[in-house]
Amino acid sequence: AQKVTQAQTEISVVEKEDVTLDCVYETRDTTYYLFWYKQPPSGELVFLIRRNSFDEQNEISGRYSWNFQKSTSSFNFTITASQVVDSAVYFCALTVWGAQKLVFGQGTRLTINP
Amino acid sequence: DSGVTQTPKHLITATGQRVTLRCSPRSGDLSVYWYQQSLDQGLQFLIQYYNGEERAKGNILERFSAQQFPDLHSELNLSSLELGDSALYFCASSVGTSGGRTDTQYFGPGTRLTVL
Repeated sequence: AQKVTQAQTEISVVEKEDVTLDCVYETRDTTYYLFWYKQPPSGELVFLIRRNSFDEQNEISGRYSWNFQKSTSSFNFTITASQVVDSAVYFCALTVWGAQKLVFGQGTRLTINP
Repeated sequence: DSGVTQTPKHLITATGQRVTLRCSPRSGDLSVYWYQQSLDQGLQFLIQYYNGEERAKGNILERFSAQQFPDLHSELNLSSLELGDSALYFCASSVGTSGGRTDTQYFGPGTRLTVL
């Protein structure tokens, strides 16, 4: 069975600070896929990134960056120079080859204060 | 905007009633997924359809059923509703293939169901 743990339930920072959201996953499958989704106050789930287990390259997209480390089963998400619009609940999710369902972590509520 | 549409946005009903939630996938997507988001259970996978056929089943109650129609839209039917069924119900879609390839799922805005 697969499991995703987001140990940080809530994080609150001041605007322009950098913040890292942790995600630890568990799976016995060798081929798997990791995702981050953002749920802003309006409620929809917005896809941010997908990472395949065979691609450990870190990725940067503007102020967002992701650090995938198979050795520690972690897929952490960093926001640099945070902005108020980054306030949302962020979910890490996992699925494995051949399975279609996403297994989500409990989410981290991020609040950026002006 | 993900391109996935869900109606209605909000639904308020009473215990024991039956409701239908509707989802239209992104253009070209063949797979549709349903998820339930509740405060105590978090985001849970319910069921997946691919091109009209049930492909995978998760923690879906027997009181719940779904189907995908020839035009690829999907409906989730919830019957004999209980207070605990109050939740945000998401539909997602992906390109989908007949094989085991894993595609990115794009989510709709959700339907918030309140059972009184």
